[in-house]
Amino acid sequence: DAGITQSPRHKVTETGTPVTLRCHQTENHRYMYWYRQDPGHGLRLIHYSYGVKDTDKGEVSDGYSVSRSKTEDFLLTLESATSSQTSVYFCAITEGTAIGEYNEQFFGPGTRLTVL
Amino acid sequence: GNSVTQMEGPVTLSEEAFLTINCTYTATGYPSLFWYVQYPGEGLQLLLKATKADDKGSNKGFEATYRKETTSFHLEKGSVQVSDSAVYFCALRYNQGGKLIFGQGTELSVKP
Repeated sequence: DAGITQSPRHKVTETGTPVTLRCHQTENHRYMYWYRQDPGHGLRLIHYSYGVKDTDKGEVSDGYSVSRSKTEDFLLTLESATSSQTSVYFCAITEGTAIGEYNEQFFGPGTRLTVL
Repeated sequence: GNSVTQMEGPVTLSEEAFLTINCTYTATGYPSLFWYVQYPGEGLQLLLKATKADDKGSNKGFEATYRKETTSFHLEKGSVQVSDSAVYFCALRYNQGGKLIFGQGTELSVKP
């Protein structure tokens, strides 16, 4: 699992509340990603990071923000959760420490988020 | 834009049957191609990959060949087992941040 943990693993929240999901890696990889998984859509990229304080948007970034203040942690924040953000969220890393070094991509165990 | 299309599931097979899950892609340039597997309640695991045309990826009896002329990367296995029951995702990666684009997933159920 390339040393990837996600917290919390399950969360139920109410519409309009802020939510932060955490992804933690132990192996100093440069690239980290947040995806969401929904039936019929596979996994879709929300945001990714290519280094400390370096992030960029993915295809479904509206309503989400991210931060990466340390190499090992990549946070995903839902500023004001909506029912459409009910999903399973996966963090991933691409092995490698150099820019442009893309080796295997490994996934965390996922966080199941329910927004009521 | 770049995209991946997989055959609709669920696919239900008997043990020892032959498996094919179709995957086609649209991409500019020459992406790398992947198959990931997701067992119930778990995250995704890399099953196999191919990084250039005509490459064959293989693992655990599964195979897929990168066909540039048909823009396909079909997953095959000669004899499936009950333990192969899972959701299979085809994905492509283009070299901009190492991001993956996934197909919608194909659920496979293997019956004894």
